[in-house]
Amino acid sequence: GIQVEQSPPDLILQEGANSTLRCNFSDSVNNLQWFHQNPWGQLINLFYIPSGTKQNGRLSATTVATERYSLLYISSSQTTDSGVYFCAVGSGAAGNKLTFGGGTRVLVKP
Amino acid sequence: GAVVSQHPSWVICKSGTSVKIECRSLDFQATTMFWYRQFPKQSLMLMATSNEGSKATYEQGVEKDKFLINHASLTLSTLTVTSAHPEDSSFYICSARDRKYEQYFGPGTRLTVT
Repeated sequence: GIQVEQSPPDLILQEGANSTLRCNFSDSVNNLQWFHQNPWGQLINLFYIPSGTKQNGRLSATTVATERYSLLYISSSQTTDSGVYFCAVGSGAAGNKLTFGGGTRVLVKP
Repeated sequence: GAVVSQHPSWVICKSGTSVKIECRSLDFQATTMFWYRQFPKQSLMLMATSNEGSKATYEQGVEKDKFLINHASLTLSTLTVTSAHPEDSSFYICSARDRKYEQYFGPGTRLTVT
């Protein structure tokens, strides 16, 4: 099956700093989503981005499908950005089945 | 955005009993729902795909007789953990897929088996 690797595994930021999270995947995909899991376990949809670039406030994401990676940018980080960020991909006829990466655990310090 | 609910949010049960978890898409119809399991400080692992009106498709290594899935309508899927044991204690999360393949997740159910 498809492999998904996220880096870095852990990230500590000072409030106000910018950061880039990376997601590499091993095969062609037709579905890619970024999520933020809050301390209560809820996964919040950030981006549905199988290709291209999107922005939503302080967050933006870029997927380069031909090179099999996606990037999530967090600008001017806030303490509420703390949590785990997951990248998940789907491919082929079962593009709706998501395979999750290991996640990046982010801690933003005040 | 699309909203998915789960009930209960947490449950404690005794070993040997069964527990049913409900997953509902509140503002859209979902022909396909998914069930995941997450252990502490780990990623999500897909357990099964639930299709409305047909049998669920289980991932390799998931016991279909232990984790019964029913997708009775376009807005409801249920997961029943039968004869639960302490090793079944985990965080169970469902998701529902919209027409564009984007998945939306429920808040999860924390199961503790004593």
